[in-house]
Amino acid sequence: QLQLQESGPGLVKPSETLSLTCTVSGGSISSSDYYWGWIRQSPGKGLEWIGNIYYSGSTYYNPSLKSRVTISADTSKNQFSLKLSSVTAADTAVFYCARQQKLRYCSTSCVGPPDYWGQGTLVTVSS
Amino acid sequence: DIVMTQSPDSLAVSLGERATINCKSSQSVLYSSSNKNYLAWYQQKPGQPPKLLFYWASTRESGVPDRFSGSGSGTDFTLTISSLQAEDVAVYYCQQYYNNPPAFGPGTKVDIK
Repeated sequence: QLQLQESGPGLVKPSETLSLTCTVSGGSISSSDYYWGWIRQSPGKGLEWIGNIYYSGSTYYNPSLKSRVTISADTSKNQFSLKLSSVTAADTAVFYCARQQKLRYCSTSCVGPPDYWGQGTLVTVSS
Repeated sequence: DIVMTQSPDSLAVSLGERATINCKSSQSVLYSSSNKNYLAWYQQKPGQPPKLLFYWASTRESGVPDRFSGSGSGTDFTLTISSLQAEDVAVYYCQQYYNNPPAFGPGTKVDIK
């Protein structure tokens, strides 16, 4: 059974960098069948796609966050990570990591909807 | 970017009655080459991550009860719960994966009347 678990600090100061890691068990992030992504949920903005990474290392970032986001992977640890720089209170949210299937039928995107999610971790931005 | 809207914001339905949630996309999510709608539905209960219910607008994920159904095409979609059970109390979201960035609707809260 695939499991994803987010980890990282629950409190980050404004202007600093938020760093989270997702540890995957029961499956490999090196599979060509899946993308691995980050999504956040805040009361004000609902569910917001942050970005994802493919086994090849290619990444996609939401244009609204692109200048501040980096997603990377460590295949030796079966983990992928999120860094969000220059955070403000508006970045306070529950952050989820998730798996998405690579679609057989691509439109302008080949990334399917998330089918496995981590439990989520609340990150608060405050001094 | 494609913008997703949902209606109503919330609804209260008696146990055993039908619940209907609507989702609209700002542009079509039907891809002509595949003849598929790139639309998913999720259920989220308090303190839990969203759970995938449907993809391709109407393909039920494994384990989802058949009282749930998804329908629609192009820009207009519907999630129907044919006979509401107590365990169906949740917020329901639609999501387009037709293009990047993927976008979720604002959610519809379903309660028991």
